[in-house]
Amino acid sequence: GENVEQHPSTLSVQEGDSAVIKCTYSDSASNYFPWYKQELGKRPQLIIDIRSNVGEKKDQRIAVTLNKTAKHFSLHITETQPEDSAVYFCAASNTGKLIFGQGTTLQVKP
Amino acid sequence: SAVISQKPSRDICQRGTSLTIQCQVDSQVTMMFWYRQQPGQSLTLIATANQGSEATYESGFVIDKFPISRPNLTFSTLTVSNMSPEDSSIYLCSAGTGTVYQETQYFGPGTRLLVL
Repeated sequence: GENVEQHPSTLSVQEGDSAVIKCTYSDSASNYFPWYKQELGKRPQLIIDIRSNVGEKKDQRIAVTLNKTAKHFSLHITETQPEDSAVYFCAASNTGKLIFGQGTTLQVKP
Repeated sequence: SAVISQKPSRDICQRGTSLTIQCQVDSQVTMMFWYRQQPGQSLTLIATANQGSEATYESGFVIDKFPISRPNLTFSTLTVSNMSPEDSSIYLCSAGTGTVYQETQYFGPGTRLLVL
C-alpha cells in the first residue's frame, strides 16, 4: 500500500522567511496530493492540493510542487507570519482515500 | 466545500463500554471516511464508510471493534466497542467532495475520547 514520508518533523523560521516541507510517496499510481494545516485543538484544514497532471500550483503565499518521476512533492510558504505556526500534513491518494505523512510542526518566530 | 459536524465533541468512558460517534454533512457526498488521530500523531484511516454496503476497513482495524453505519449520503456513525485505554484518541470523520474526483476531503471537528 501507499506510504508517505514527511520531513522535517519540526521547522522553526523567522517571520518573513520562507518555509519548505517535503514529502515522498511510494505508490506511483497516486494522483492527488493535498496539504492540511492543523492548529492546536482544531480540525485539519485543506490549504492547497495538486493533481498529478500539474507540476506546480500557487495560492498567494503558498505553493506546492510535484515531481512525479522522483515521487515527491513539497509545500512552500513565503513571507511567513506567526499565524502560519501550526502542524502541516501532506497526503497522497489514488482511490479517494488519503494516506498522511507524519506531520511537520512549523514555528514562525516574530 | 462541505460543512461537517460531529457528536459528541468529547466524552469520558469506562473500559468495556461502547461509544457511538455521529457525523453529519450538510450536503450529499459519495465518500465518507473515519480517521483516528492519537495525541501528537498523524491521521490514520480506519475505514471508508460506504452507503448501502459494508464499510471497507484498513489493515489493523476490524468491524467487530469499529462498526460503521452509513444509512444515507449525509450521515455516518462510528462505534468504538469494548473500549480500553488504548482507544483514547481523537476520532475524525471526513467527506469527499468535488465534481469529478470527489477526493477533496473536508474534516469534521473531531470527537475527543478518553477511556478510563
